[in-house]
Amino acid sequence: QKEVEQNSGPLSVPEGAIASLNCTYSDRGSQSFFWYRQYSGKSPELIMSIYSNGDKEDGRFTAQLNKASQYVSLLIRDSQPSDSATYLCAVNSNSNSGYALNFGKGTSLLVTP
Amino acid sequence: EAGVAQSPRYKIIEKRQSVAFWCNPISGHATLYWYQQILGQGPKLLIQFQNNGVVDDSQLPKDRFSAERLKGVDSTLKIQPAKLEDSAVYLCASSISYEQYFGPGTRLTVT
Repeated sequence: QKEVEQNSGPLSVPEGAIASLNCTYSDRGSQSFFWYRQYSGKSPELIMSIYSNGDKEDGRFTAQLNKASQYVSLLIRDSQPSDSATYLCAVNSNSNSGYALNFGKGTSLLVTP
Repeated sequence: EAGVAQSPRYKIIEKRQSVAFWCNPISGHATLYWYQQILGQGPKLLIQFQNNGVVDDSQLPKDRFSAERLKGVDSTLKIQPAKLEDSAVYLCASSISYEQYFGPGTRLTVT
């Protein structure tokens, strides 16, 4: 069973701080890793993708991947109340010839003013 | 560029009734996915299409769920008969490579 694990939270950080979200996965053959943001009552929105070890930065977001440790993280700098949402970690699993995603249960982030 | 379209947005039915959901992917996206998201959980793949062929339907409850993608564009997901545990949000996503983009979803309530 290919699993993706996240702390459910809630993770509470003050406005302006760095929020750190973590995710581990069980399938060593995974090649693609994604972070989705999901506001309450809305659908998941892709915010970051990462495919190789190391860091990838996009604005206030940094994704970090360590395939040896089977670990992927998302850092949100200068957190804003509008960042309050559930963050879903997703990992691809090669299913036949497709690239279906296995999702974690998500981490709830609350940014307090 | 228009995103993934889904309808209806909300549906309430009684158990043992049938229901159908429709999805129109982003133009040019060959791969289409249907996911089920139960409250408090991450999305779970039900079925994946590449053009109009099924790539993966291993987690689709085939005794009650069916899906088709005619002409490799629009797709329909059907549940017949519905059970209480089918209450969830049904998400359609499409992709041209590895990155998947989701539609707004259909919230199904089975009473």
